Amino acid sequence: NAGVTQTPKFQVLKTGQSMTLQCAQDMNHEYMSWYRQDPGMGLRLIHYSVGAGITDQGEVPNGYNVSRSTTEDFPLRLLSAAPSQTSVYFCASSYFGGLGPYNEQFFGPGTRLTVL
Amino acid sequence: GENVEQHPSTLSVQEGDSAVIKCTYSDSASNYFPWYKQELGKGPQLIIDIRSNVGEKKDQRIAVTLNKTAKHFSLHITETQPEDSAVYFCAARHFGNEKLTFGTGTRLTIIP
Repeated sequence: NAGVTQTPKFQVLKTGQSMTLQCAQDMNHEYMSWYRQDPGMGLRLIHYSVGAGITDQGEVPNGYNVSRSTTEDFPLRLLSAAPSQTSVYFCASSYFGGLGPYNEQFFGPGTRLTVL
Repeated sequence: GENVEQHPSTLSVQEGDSAVIKCTYSDSASNYFPWYKQELGKGPQLIIDIRSNVGEKKDQRIAVTLNKTAKHFSLHITETQPEDSAVYFCAARHFGNEKLTFGTGTRLTIIP
């Protein structure tokens, strides 16, 4: 299994540009989520999904959109990038529900995004 | 919502000594507390977790303790080695909610 994969690893954008961060997992996990990591602020939840066709907002959703058309993929879209979105973005996935509440979240390697 | 505080933000210990990282949480309904290790340039990886019906859990040199009354939980690393140098995150969550709330992280440096 490849686990959780993210592309690209690095990206530089200009203010106002749009882009999509890709995330895929091959573990048949129902739950997928996006976090951003900023110095001194830990990992903050942006959006999450408990299955195909179902998404919900996390702690810091403004400026980001998500969709979940398949179990495997969970892309994160920045419609109009701002310097405040400069961060490292992590995608994570886990089993949900039927296997119990204590399900390990597996993280991808991250995407480092700089908005100029 | 849940709030998790983590201390210290940086910690340096001599190789072979012990390291302790502490976290507090606010939501009394939280019942699952994982610890993640993040090496440079990589995503966080689960190293140990504890559930609210257990007070302590050990895995070789790593242990986690939980005080539900005080809403505290701690990570203990004994006989530290250079490969323990990393950023460590605590987190909390409660039954039926897959969302994890993370602490702000501790950068641990092991001095050879």
